[in-house]
Amino acid sequence: DGGITQSPKYLFRKEGQNVTLSCEQNLNHDAMYWYRQDPGQGLRLIYYSQIVNDFQKGDIAEGYSVSREKKESFPLTVTSAQKNPTAFYLCASSPRQPSEKLFFGSGTQLSVL
Amino acid sequence: GESVGLHLPTLSVQEGDNSIINCAYSNSASDYFIWYKQESGKGPQFIIDIRSNMDKRQGQRVTVLLNKTVKHLSLQIAATQPGDSAVYFCAERERSNDYKLSFGAGTTVTVRA
Repeated sequence: DGGITQSPKYLFRKEGQNVTLSCEQNLNHDAMYWYRQDPGQGLRLIYYSQIVNDFQKGDIAEGYSVSREKKESFPLTVTSAQKNPTAFYLCASSPRQPSEKLFFGSGTQLSVL
Repeated sequence: GESVGLHLPTLSVQEGDNSIINCAYSNSASDYFIWYKQESGKGPQFIIDIRSNMDKRQGQRVTVLLNKTVKHLSLQIAATQPGDSAVYFCAERERSNDYKLSFGAGTTVTVRA
């Protein structure tokens, strides 16, 4: 059953804590993306990666970090520098760049305690 | 970013009627457009896409129309069903922005029985 798996579905962060959101895909896609979604707003791009060991900042990268050590995996760390981390985080992948027909995971809701 | 917009944040439709969801974009350099459907607490699902060299594209119960003259995109859903209730996003791929997808804020469609 191919697709994109995000975990956990719900995550709580204490002040000053770093948390990592997992994203795994078995679609053999080259490109992977992280988006942030706030209520009533569109998706905003945090980071994206076109190939393994390479990634670029999106529009709102401050306070976030990523790695792409494997083709299948693109974890996102929300650092303590991100002062407003409460949001719904979506991971996506696409067969190639440029961005086309992104396939999305089911999302992670991050909240601050 | 906000150059893509759905100017009707909510749409209420009678079951069985046709739905039309509109989207305006401002970047004339965009070459690809895509519609997604997002149900509550889930990731967006691909509906249909269209390239800038086309005016119309049809899928199963859905049609996307692209009017480049007035920079307008619409999604038509035929015979709307209760399962069509969701938030609908349009997105454009901007050649001027490293070919990244930019999403609008979304239109919430509610189907009345």
